[in-house]
Amino acid sequence: GIQVEQSPPDLILQEGANSTLRCNFSDSVNNLQWFHQNPWGQLINLFYIPSGTKQNGRLSATTVATERYSLLYISSSQTTDSGVYFCAVEPHSSYKLIFGSGTRLLVRP
Amino acid sequence: GAVVSQHPSWVICKSGTSVKIECRSLDFQATTMFWYRQFPKQSLMLMATSNEGSKATYEQGVEKDKFLINHASLTLSTLTVTSAHPEDSSFYICSARGGTELNTEAFFGQGTRLTVV
Repeated sequence: GIQVEQSPPDLILQEGANSTLRCNFSDSVNNLQWFHQNPWGQLINLFYIPSGTKQNGRLSATTVATERYSLLYISSSQTTDSGVYFCAVEPHSSYKLIFGSGTRLLVRP
Repeated sequence: GAVVSQHPSWVICKSGTSVKIECRSLDFQATTMFWYRQFPKQSLMLMATSNEGSKATYEQGVEKDKFLINHASLTLSTLTVTSAHPEDSSFYICSARGGTELNTEAFFGQGTRLTVV
């Protein structure tokens, strides 16, 4: 099956810093989403981005489907950005969403 | 975005009993829903795909007789953990898509934290 790898696994930032999270996948995909899991476990939809670039406030994401990777940019990080960031992909001709291992982010004041 | 509601948010049950978890799509119809399981500090693992009006499709290694899935309507899927044991304690999360086609965004419920004592 498809492999989804996220890096780095852990990241500690000082408030105000910028960061880039990466998601590599081993096969072609129909769909790619980024999520933020808050401390209560709720998955917050950040981006639905099978290809191209999108921005939402301090967050932006880019997916290069032909090279099988996606990047999530966080600018001017805030303590509320802390949590786990997951990318998830839908393999070609499959309706399932497969999750990467996540990046655990801690933003310190 | 679309809203998926899961109930209960947390449940504690005795070993040997069964627990039912509900997943509802509140503002859209979902012919397909998905059930995931997450252990502490781990990623989400897909357990099964729930199809309205037909049998669920289980991932390899998931016991279909222990994790009963029913998708009786276009807005409701249920997961019943039968004869629960402490090793079934976990965080269970459901997901639904806004359509039946590929390339549609998935939305998630708030999750259910199950503790079996």
